[in-house]
Amino acid sequence: EPEVTQTPSHQVTQMGQEVILRCVPISNHLYFYWYRQILGQKVEFLVSFYNNEISEKSEIFDDQFSVERPDGSNFTLKIRSTKLEDSAMYFCASRTQGAAGETQYFGPGTRLLVL
Amino acid sequence: SQQGEEDPQALSIQEGENATMNCSYKTSINNLQWYRQNSGRGLVHLILIRSNEREKHSGRLRVTLDTSKKSSSLLITASRAADTASYFCATAQAGTALIFGKGTTLSVSS
Repeated sequence: EPEVTQTPSHQVTQMGQEVILRCVPISNHLYFYWYRQILGQKVEFLVSFYNNEISEKSEIFDDQFSVERPDGSNFTLKIRSTKLEDSAMYFCASRTQGAAGETQYFGPGTRLLVL
Repeated sequence: SQQGEEDPQALSIQEGENATMNCSYKTSINNLQWYRQNSGRGLVHLILIRSNEREKHSGRLRVTLDTSKKSSSLLITASRAADTASYFCATAQAGTALIFGKGTTLSVSS
């Protein structure tokens, strides 16, 4: 069964460093998302991406964040200068369109720790 | 915001018992979805119910939706130890991002 994959599974970085989190959505999906979950808290929406542009973003998604679909398969989230409070689990999700496209399929997540 | 908020926050039951989790939200929705998350792992989609549906079943899962009360419930029947996880409701308007609740942590002991 097709699934969303994410790499790396864990990343430790120093405050101020740039990180890139990678996702490979399900191949025929057209809508892509990033969410994050700070330890012990709820899952929060960051950004959605469709047709090579951001379609929606939350207040969390400030200028330190960017997303890109550099090729036909990868979808990346870049944090330019990480802060301690960026430590969280980051989830990528994707969905198709139409009536079958309401369900978002999530990857296993990347656990980011900023020291 | 159209947050989903689950209750109870934590639920402990014995294997074979039923588990019921509730979710409330604030604004109109297109659909409501339930996800499961095993400790430290990804989110697994369980079931989606649309705003024009009142009840839906999938295996041992039964979901209800009351749009007049802006609430939903997830019932897991004949629970198993493997059902131990956190359960989240998430609401969406058409084509928009999911808004998650804080989740219910279910512990099923054998």
